[in-house]
Amino acid sequence: QKEVEQNSGPLSVPEGAIASLNCTYSDRGSQSFFWYRQYSGKSPELIMFIYSNGDKEDGRFTAQLNKASQYVSLLIRDSQPSDSATYLCAVRLTTGGGNKLTFGTGTQLKVEL
Amino acid sequence: GAVVSQHPSWVICKSGTSVKIECRSLDFQATTMFWYRQFPKQSLMLMATSNEGSKATYEQGVEKDKFLINHASLTLSTLTVTSAHPEDSSFYICSAERRGEQFFGPGTRLTVL
Repeated sequence: QKEVEQNSGPLSVPEGAIASLNCTYSDRGSQSFFWYRQYSGKSPELIMFIYSNGDKEDGRFTAQLNKASQYVSLLIRDSQPSDSATYLCAVRLTTGGGNKLTFGTGTQLKVEL
Repeated sequence: GAVVSQHPSWVICKSGTSVKIECRSLDFQATTMFWYRQFPKQSLMLMATSNEGSKATYEQGVEKDKFLINHASLTLSTLTVTSAHPEDSSFYICSAERRGEQFFGPGTRLTVL
């Protein structure tokens, strides 16, 4: 079982719709969860992070964490063509692993006009 | 902001030669930097954790004698790919840690002929 799993997609949504990206993780002791956006040929850029169960909103983005289900998601409201990218979920494992991040394989999002 | 640079942004070299990649934190000091490798259509794979003033910690399966890491100052870490082979061709990305967050450099695309 992979430590961090994401559906590779592509996930296609029309412009203006809500895009929902999902991620599951295997280590129940995971502490912190990150969402990165990566455009083709570029390095990842941090969108947001979440530590506590529930929702965290930042502009058009909402991260949702459910530690009991070992599930974290990212919602993008009013999706724009510029949101088309690969979205990487990253998990910081238990404190014994230091500050290393383990990345999922990413979900490709396509926002269509 | 937290800006991380990498140099060079791309490099082409002959098989058997060595290539050095620099990672700099421009506006903050980073005790810890990380080196990742990303093959096409795949996620980021952590190669090693670089700690200023001490030996790097390599992930399982990464050859420490082939991928030499030096973190000589709080703003600079270098990765040297020794005796490069075509299978080392990849996108190498560094990140620098500040207050628990990782900030990524723009990446270096290495092509070994």
